[in-house]
Amino acid sequence: AQRVTQPEKLLSVFKGAPVELKCNYSYSGSPELFWYVQYSRQRLQLLLRHISRESIKGFTADLNKGETSFHLKKPFAQEEDSAMYYCALSHSYAGGTSYGKLTFGQGTILTVHP
Amino acid sequence: EAGVTQFPSHSVIEKGQTVTLRCDPISGHDNLYWYRRVMGKEIKFLLHFVKESKQDESGMPNNRFLAERTGGTYSTLKVQPAELEDSGVYFCASSPQWSTGGTDTQYFGPGTRLTVL
Repeated sequence: AQRVTQPEKLLSVFKGAPVELKCNYSYSGSPELFWYVQYSRQRLQLLLRHISRESIKGFTADLNKGETSFHLKKPFAQEEDSAMYYCALSHSYAGGTSYGKLTFGQGTILTVHP
Repeated sequence: EAGVTQFPSHSVIEKGQTVTLRCDPISGHDNLYWYRRVMGKEIKFLLHFVKESKQDESGMPNNRFLAERTGGTYSTLKVQPAELEDSGVYFCASSPQWSTGGTDTQYFGPGTRLTVL
């Protein structure tokens, strides 16, 4: 069964410090990994996905299949980055039928102090 | 473009009562998903519609939960009779099309907070 683990429920850093939110997954097939974010009083929204290999709001995440990890990183945290972050996995068959359901980790609450 | 909407935003009911949650996906989105977050736990998948058909309902906890998607547009999730453990936040999400080779981005609604007393 697929599983996503976010070991830290809470993470606090100071503004300007680097931040890394950890995510490990277990899945036997070819996963698609995502990071979703929920800011205060806002809805859950996609932050980035591994297939895009892009940087959003200064955040990056690299899929490491050897370590089955998809850690989210930002070199200089900002106060507006304070939010709940969820790592999520979706099963995807290359060239076949896709399944969109997401398996989420428990989430990490990031607080960036001024 | 309007996002995914959910109604009501909050619902407080007593154990044994019935509650119906509604989700309006983004217009034109074929895929509609229901998820639930119980307090202290992760967000869990409930089911997936492709248009009006149930593609995957493996996450539905039991037969007290009934989901429908009339005409492939909005969806309802009925809980009857509600139990204490059904309390949580119910999210709906939609994505554009049932495509091959990848997963479309899911757009989430604001959620419905259900409290069963």
